Amino acid sequence: DAGVIQSPRHEVTEMGQEVTLRCKPISGHNSLFWYRQTMMRGLELLIYFNNNVPIDDSGMPEDRFSAKMPNASFSTLKIQPSEPRDSAVYFCASSIQGSNQPQHFGDGTRLSIL
Amino acid sequence: RKEVEQDPGPFNVPEGATVAFNCTYSNSASQSFFWYRQDCRKEPKLLMSVYSSGNEDGRFTAQLNRASQYISLLIRDSKLSDSATYLCSMGGGGNKLTFGTGTQLKVEL
Repeated sequence: DAGVIQSPRHEVTEMGQEVTLRCKPISGHNSLFWYRQTMMRGLELLIYFNNNVPIDDSGMPEDRFSAKMPNASFSTLKIQPSEPRDSAVYFCASSIQGSNQPQHFGDGTRLSIL
Repeated sequence: RKEVEQDPGPFNVPEGATVAFNCTYSNSASQSFFWYRQDCRKEPKLLMSVYSSGNEDGRFTAQLNRASQYISLLIRDSKLSDSATYLCSMGGGGNKLTFGTGTQLKVEL
């Protein structure tokens, strides 16, 4: 079975540019999560969706970050304009909605903002 | 106080040794607990869920101590391939999980 699919795997761009990260959750999973991981701060939850609806976006750093989930099989995380401090690994994860359900992660996108 | 705390390590152990990690949490309402393994430059992968009664999967044993608010992971007969970072996580209801910063394990010859 296909796992969570993220693209691109790597992204290097100059500051000020728009960055769009993409995620396809596991089929049948109705919860989707966006995380950011850095050495300093570890794994941080940015936002999550249940049934395509954003539930908690309190982890989104600032207005430069936005996320959408137009349908059950696709989500995007956008950064506009990007800054060097946004450099990190961004993970998407999905799960079946409900307590006691583990999350399954994609391979991540390694983002470098120059 | 952080919601989830782990000793970052590294824990350097010889092959064949038994090693244990603890992870403390502050939210007494936490209902679900998991251990994940993360290899260098890879994604976290679910290792095992942690149940109130404790659970075992081969060389790995996970336990929950609600009174003291910690979970533990025990690895017996450690292998070189066990070298990784181990992340604990817990949920307070709903789907949201909070992750620790991870404990690094290095198994050496």
